[in-house]
Parts: sequence; C-alpha cells; structure tokens
Amino acid sequence: DGGITQSPKYLFRKEGQNVTLSCEQNLNHDAMYWYRQDPGQGLRLIYYSQIVNDFQKGDIAEGYSVSREKKESFPLTVTSAQKNPTAFYLCASSIRGQGGTGELFFGEGSRLTVL
Amino acid sequence: AQTVTQSQPEMSVQEAETVTLSCTYDTSESDYYLFWYKQPPSRQMILVIRQEAYKQQNATENRFSVNFQKAAKSFSLKISDSQLGDAAMYFCAYRTPLPMDSNYQLIWGAGTKLIIKP
Repeated sequence: DGGITQSPKYLFRKEGQNVTLSCEQNLNHDAMYWYRQDPGQGLRLIYYSQIVNDFQKGDIAEGYSVSREKKESFPLTVTSAQKNPTAFYLCASSIRGQGGTGELFFGEGSRLTVL
Repeated sequence: AQTVTQSQPEMSVQEAETVTLSCTYDTSESDYYLFWYKQPPSRQMILVIRQEAYKQQNATENRFSVNFQKAAKSFSLKISDSQLGDAAMYFCAYRTPLPMDSNYQLIWGAGTKLIIKP
C-alpha cells in the first residue's frame, strides 16, 4: 500500500543531543514537508522540499536541518540548538504544482521528548 | 497575509446528532482551495473534505458537508449523524494555487476538538 512511514514513533533525547527523524514515502510525490505540532496549536511548517536536492525553510526552521538526497526520503534532524524540541512531528507529501490540488498525505507522526 | 481562524477550541455533540464546526479565513486572492483535516487520537491527519473556491457548489463526502460562503470568507464543516469515530481534532486549512515552479504551503487554523457523547 502507498503511504508515508515515519520512524521512530516515540523518541527520547537528552539535552544537547542531535536526533534524526525518518520520513519515507512511496507515493511518488515530489513535494515533502515537516510540520511541528504543539498542544492547542495548529501545524507549523519547519522545512519543505519540492524536488530532490532542494529544500526551503518554513516558519520555524531554527534548530532543525533536513536533506533530500532521494525522492522517497526527507529526514529531519533536531539539533541541540533547538531550544524547545519536545513536540509531535508530522511528515507529509503532496503532488507538486498544478498537477494536484495540494492535498497533503501525512505519516503517523513522531513524538519527541527531551529529558 | 492569509490567516485561518477556528473560533471554537472545543465542541461536543450527542451521538447521531448534527454538529457544525466553523472556520473563517482572510485573503485577497480570488482563487484558492480550502480543506478540512481530521486528526483522531492516533494522531495521523486525514483529509475529510476539499473545496475549490471557483466552485459554487458546496462539497460533500457522505456525512460530511461544507457551507462555503466566499463573500463572507467562511468555510464551516457540518457532520451529520455523528458517530463515536468522529471524535478528533479538526483543522481547517487554506491554500492558493500557484504555478508549477512555485512553492506553496497550507495555512492552518488552530483546530477544534470534537467530543462525541454516547
């Protein structure tokens, strides 16, 4: 079945450590996104990528980094520079441009907790 | 700048009854898309319904329908015959259509928590 797989589902990190969240999709979508979700808030865009080897900062990119070496994969690294990394992280993908309505397909999310 | 507002942080409804979730948005664009997404306790976001602004007819998907009032910039979601499985956070989102080479992103509301009473 086509879809988006995020791993790990739960992750604990000590302060000062970098962690990488995995996101893989087999929907053949060009565009991929990382969102952060905090309680009582909507989704905030961290980074997005429209094509392999290219990505742009979203609204809250500080303390995060990404790579897009393959169409299927868009990993997110939460660095030690991120002041408040405890949150729920959602990865999504979509058809790029006029070929689609912009509907996002989401993974099941990763819950990161900093101890 | 475009904004999306969901003024109801929480709503509750008796099972089998009808509930309406409100969403308003602000934009100067004439062509755009509006979405309602559902996020159940499992946390995976699922598209509920989509509306293209150029279409006057309100979108419907089984028990879910929208009341799209373009002039008022309002996009409410009506859930008929509410079921226990409808309990979730519901998010309203907005997007403008852009050319192939441009980027685009969704503008999200803060969400409404829907509680279904058995």
